Order: sequence, then C-alpha cells, then structure tokens
Amino acid sequence: AQSVTQPDIHITVSEGASLELRCNYSYGATPYLFWYVQSPGQGLQLLLKYFSGDTLVQGIKGFEAEFKRSQSSFNLRKPSVHWSDDADYFCAVDTGRRALTFGSGTRLQVQP
Amino acid sequence: GAGVSQSPSNKVTEKGKDVELRCDPISGHTALYWYRQSLGQGLEFLIYFQGNSAPDKSGLPSDRFSAERTGGSVSTLTIQRTQQEDSAVYLCASSLGASGGAADTQYFGPGTRLTVL
Repeated sequence: AQSVTQPDIHITVSEGASLELRCNYSYGATPYLFWYVQSPGQGLQLLLKYFSGDTLVQGIKGFEAEFKRSQSSFNLRKPSVHWSDDADYFCAVDTGRRALTFGSGTRLQVQP
Repeated sequence: GAGVSQSPSNKVTEKGKDVELRCDPISGHTALYWYRQSLGQGLEFLIYFQGNSAPDKSGLPSDRFSAERTGGSVSTLTIQRTQQEDSAVYLCASSLGASGGAADTQYFGPGTRLTVL
C-alpha cells in the first residue's frame, strides 16, 4: 500500500526566511502528488499538484515544489515566508483510485 | 455556493447516539469524498462517490458508518451508536470527477467537528 512521510512534525522559521518542507512517498509507480495547507479552524486548501511533465511545479501564495523520482520526494519550498503562512501543511498522493493518502502533516510556525 | 459547505460546523453528542453530517459539494462536481481528521490517526479517507454510487468505501472504519448521496449532489454521513473514538473532524471534498482527467483536484469544505461525550 502507498504511504506518505513528512519527517518534520514542527518547523519554526522567521518571517522572511526561506522554507523547505519535506515529503517522501512509497509507491511502485509515480503517483499524483499534492500539497495542501490548513489554517486553524479551516478546511484544506490546495497549494499545488504534480501529475506529469515539468518536475518543478508552481503553486499559489508563492509556493513551489520539486518532484524527484530518484528520491521519491516532493518537497515544498518558498523563498520568503510571510506571517500568514503560519499553518499546517499536508502532502498527499493519489495512486489513481481517487482516494488521497495524506502524510501526518508539518506544523509551520512563523516568528516575527 | 462557491465552495463545499458542511453542516453542522460543530456537533456534540452522547455516546450511543446516532449522528448525521451533511455535505453540499460544489455545483457541477460529480465526485464527492469523505475524510476524517483526528489527532491519533491524522487524515484518513472514508468513502468516495461518483454520482450516487460509491465505488470505494474501503475507508469506512466499521459498519456503524454509512453514507449516501442523492441526486448526485448532497451527501450525508451517518454514524450509528457513536463511540468516543469517533470524535474527530469530518471533512468533505468534491471534484469534477470523471471529466476532471488526471489528478482531478479535490476541494475541501471546512469540516464538521464531532465530539462524543
């Protein structure tokens, strides 16, 4: 069965600093890959997705992610974080059966 | 409405009672999904509808959980004889479905927070 690992439970960064959130997946082929963000008391909002083509994907709010097949990774990056990025971030995969499998999430705390 | 809506936003119930959670998908979306988010288990898939049928209900944790969808729109998730371990946030999502192509994007509602006392 597929699985998703987000090794960082909690990350603290200063506003304006760069950010990288890690995501690794386990699956026999290349799944569809997603990053979602969840602000307190809110539902999940899609940041970006990858399903084929260019391995560097641009998303909303200045986020990007890079798919690396050799490492089974799909890490999320942002060059300069804003206080409004303080939230929970979830990596997810879809292996074609439509049900998303999520990682356990990374709590991002942004310090002023 | 513009997005996925869910009701109620919060539900407190006593152990052993039945509860119904409602989801209104985005207009025109043929696929609908239920997930559960809890501290111990993270985000778990429960069931997926395409139209009114459920081709994948593999995530339903027990036979106390059931869901239906009528008219290809609104869905109701029912939990019978609730237990304390059912306490969680229940999230609904919808997507274009079959016409959405590869990596059909799921759009999530705000969730229903269920507390079983």
